[in-house]
Amino acid sequence: GENVEQHPSTLSVQEGDSAVIKCTYSDSASNYFPWYKQELGKGPQLIIDIRSNVGEKKDQRIAVTLNKTAKHFSLHITETQPEDSAVYFCAAIHTGTASKLTFGTGTRLQVTL
Amino acid sequence: DVKVTQSSRYLVKRTGEKVFLECVQDMDHENMFWYRQDPGLGLRLIYFSYDVKMKEKGDIPEGYSVSREKKERFSLILESASTNQTSMYLCASSSWDSGLLFPYFGAGTRLSVL
Repeated sequence: GENVEQHPSTLSVQEGDSAVIKCTYSDSASNYFPWYKQELGKGPQLIIDIRSNVGEKKDQRIAVTLNKTAKHFSLHITETQPEDSAVYFCAAIHTGTASKLTFGTGTRLQVTL
Repeated sequence: DVKVTQSSRYLVKRTGEKVFLECVQDMDHENMFWYRQDPGLGLRLIYFSYDVKMKEKGDIPEGYSVSREKKERFSLILESASTNQTSMYLCASSSWDSGLLFPYFGAGTRLSVL
């Protein structure tokens, strides 16, 4: 089955700096990669996703990149703000099968003033 | 707006007790899921259900069972709670259109087994 590794487990950045979270996956058939943000006391919420036919996707201050050859994908947050502080999860799935989302282990991002 | 409601935010139970975690969604979603969240281990799927009265094992089903008598409700059952089941439990749902994608999560139930 799929295995997703996520790094780093914790990340501290100053407000206004950029943050990068990296994930690798093992199943070359995986073709959909969502990212979730979990704020304190809440469940994870989908913030952005990317499909395997696209190399990069942006939504305001967040972007995801995908390298299919190397089987890794990354989340980039620019101009970080205190409200970006949360736990972020990457995930992977092969949508052509009845398989399920496999999540990474999570990254706790702390944006300091 | 999408809503997944878990009946309890915090629960404290004793070893050996039978524990019920309840989840209700109001989106008419066909698919429902139970995940367990532990530090350093991410989100691990316990059970999921494609339809009423149907259930499928996830990655870590041992020690758990589920019940789905109505489309909107999915219950996780710990038949005899043990201390290693102390964890955060997250319920989620998704529509058949998106299959197993885009699960919407509830706020979670933090269970402590003493």
